[in-house]
Amino acid sequence: GAVVSQHPSRVICKSGTSVKIECRSLDFQATTMFWYRQFPKKSLMLMATSNEGSKATYEQGVEKDKFLINHASLTLSTLTVTSAHPEDSSFYICSARDRSVPYNEQFFGPGTRLTVL
Amino acid sequence: AQSVTQLDSHVSVSEGTPVLLRCNYSSSYSPSLFWYVQHPNKGLQLLLKYTSAATLVKGINGFEAEFKKSETSFHLTKPSAHMSDAAEYFCVVSDRNFNKFYFGSGTKLNVKP
Repeated sequence: GAVVSQHPSRVICKSGTSVKIECRSLDFQATTMFWYRQFPKKSLMLMATSNEGSKATYEQGVEKDKFLINHASLTLSTLTVTSAHPEDSSFYICSARDRSVPYNEQFFGPGTRLTVL
Repeated sequence: AQSVTQLDSHVSVSEGTPVLLRCNYSSSYSPSLFWYVQHPNKGLQLLLKYTSAATLVKGINGFEAEFKKSETSFHLTKPSAHMSDAAEYFCVVSDRNFNKFYFGSGTKLNVKP
């Protein structure tokens, strides 16, 4: 149980294009999902918290207009990197909280590696 | 504010010898602490978690961690390392509502044959 998937696992795009990454909770309802970014050989940094049916809450320093987050259902959140540039290349990881699990731990997806040429 | 410090960026052990990965935390209240493992190009897997119950927490794959409030530590240990344990390990502290996870900088564990 408590599986989170991400699609795609890898994406390569040209500079200036937009890329959408999906995060799905496969066997539980996730009222809250989280998006992290991991730079090479670095830790994970929380980008935003996504709540179903409402606007995402972004961490300080994260551009809302660049990283669009939509959480349209209890099992799906999407992150769209708009007008991507090479500096956006990174490993993006989502997590989801299963409110039925005691202490509400976060379950992490396998990540999406974005490369912007 | 919450934060964690992982004291070693790299740890190298021989197969069959004990593993110790160190983590110190800072929290303005009684914390919830986690250890996650990340294998190359993979997502994060929960090893164990402390949520104010027993201070010695047993996790998967033979790992365990002890919460020591007096030392503000939550070190991860394993009696005998396996080659498959080679990975990156993250110590994490949560905010009070589990809304925010604060990750340590990670410790890369290398296991030598």
